[in-house]
Amino acid sequence: AQSVTQPDIHITVSEGASLELRCNYSYGATPYLFWYVQSPGQGLQLLLKYFSGDTLVQGIKGFEAEFKRSQSSFNLRKPSVHWSDAAEYFCAVGEVTGTASKLTFGTGTRLQVTL
Amino acid sequence: GAVVSQHPSWVICKSGTSVKIECRSLDFQATTMFWYRQFPKQSLMLMATSNEGSKATYEQGVEKDKFLINHASLTLSTLTVTSAHPEDSSFYICSAREGARQAFFGQGTRLTVV
Repeated sequence: AQSVTQPDIHITVSEGASLELRCNYSYGATPYLFWYVQSPGQGLQLLLKYFSGDTLVQGIKGFEAEFKRSQSSFNLRKPSVHWSDAAEYFCAVGEVTGTASKLTFGTGTRLQVTL
Repeated sequence: GAVVSQHPSWVICKSGTSVKIECRSLDFQATTMFWYRQFPKQSLMLMATSNEGSKATYEQGVEKDKFLINHASLTLSTLTVTSAHPEDSSFYICSAREGARQAFFGQGTRLTVV
């Protein structure tokens, strides 16, 4: 069964500092990997996804993530954090079959940005 | 990107009553819709998957008679929480996709049962 681990429950960074959110996955085949952001009381917005090809993927809002098969990781990075990036971030691994895609989410990492 | 709208955003209901949550795809045909539940400070747990015109497939441990899902059209799915109890209070989120395309999430519905 697929699973996702986000080791950091809560991270605080200063505005302008770099950010890395960790994500490790367990999946039997080549995974489909996603990062979502959730603002308080809101749904989820897709930041980026990896299906195949280049292991470094670029997303919206200046985020990027690198797929490392050997480490079963898909860490999210941003070189310079903005105060508006404060939110909950979820890593997910997807099983895409036919017309359905079941996502398994990690427990999330709450990002706090100090000014 | 595509838009998925959930209604209502917030709902408070009395224990024992039923409440319906709507999930609409506004600019695409949602052949598949997913319903998730999110407990406070926890991740999203998939409750069920529904394909238009078919019965929903529920995840293990989810009571299908309590959480009724209807996906009668390509733009609308509904989740009805029947005989709601305080333990059903949660944040419910839907997502929708057209064919094999990317799934988009609604903004979620906060349900409080008093």
